[in-house]
Amino acid sequence: DQQVKQNSPSLSVQEGRISILNCDYTNSMFDYFLWYKKYPAEGPTFLISISSIKDKNEDGRFTVFLNKSAKHLSLHIVPSQPGDSAVYFCAASARGTASKLTFGTGTRLQVTL
Amino acid sequence: GAGVSQSPSNKVTEKGKDVELRCDPISGHTALYWYRQRLGQGLEFLIYFQGNSAPDKSGLPSDRFSAERTGESVSTLTIQRTQQEDSAVYLCASSLRGEHIQYFGAGTRLSVL
Repeated sequence: DQQVKQNSPSLSVQEGRISILNCDYTNSMFDYFLWYKKYPAEGPTFLISISSIKDKNEDGRFTVFLNKSAKHLSLHIVPSQPGDSAVYFCAASARGTASKLTFGTGTRLQVTL
Repeated sequence: GAGVSQSPSNKVTEKGKDVELRCDPISGHTALYWYRQRLGQGLEFLIYFQGNSAPDKSGLPSDRFSAERTGESVSTLTIQRTQQEDSAVYLCASSLRGEHIQYFGAGTRLSVL
C-alpha cells in the first residue's frame, strides 16, 4: 500500500516558468513532510520541509504548500532553472517520532531552455 | 565537514553470495537509517538506529538481511545468500536526535547476477 504517492512520473517545464510537483498521502498520522532532490549517481539532498501545523513554507525559489484536509502537498519552483532538472521525492514522517521516512516514487523534472 | 560516506559505491555479486555494505554517518549524528531503492521505485525503509536504543528493524524484508552499528558511528548492512531481487541501490542516511531532516550518502549500487 503506497502511503505517499507522486502520480506524475515526469514533468517538463521551460526555463523561467513555474514548476509544480504534487504529492498525496493517505496516512493521517503523518505530521512532517519533506522534499528531496536527487541527481543521478548521488544520494537525495534535502530541499525544503513543512510541519503539519503550517500550510506554507518558503525558501528562496522553493515553496511547499500543505492541504491537510485533502492530504495533499505541492512543491513550487519559480523561476525554474536548468540546474533544477532532477528527480524530486516527497517524504513524510509520522506524528511523535523523528524516525523513518516514507517516500513517494519520485517525479523527474526536466527544465528546458 | 564530511557528509555520509558509503562503500563500496558499486558491488557486483553472484546469486547466493553474502555481501556487506558500509556506512559512515556524519560525525555527531546519533540516528542512522538504511533505505533501499529498486529501479523506478521510491526509497524503502529498512532499519533505523538511534543511539544505544534497540534498532527498529521493521523494514527488513527477510531474515537474510541484518545490520549492526558500532556505538554512534559506522554501520554495516549484511545481505546473506543474495537473490536477484536484492539488486538495488542501498542508501544510508543520518540525522541529529529528534531531527526530521536526514542526510544521505551516495549509496551502494548492488547487482546480483
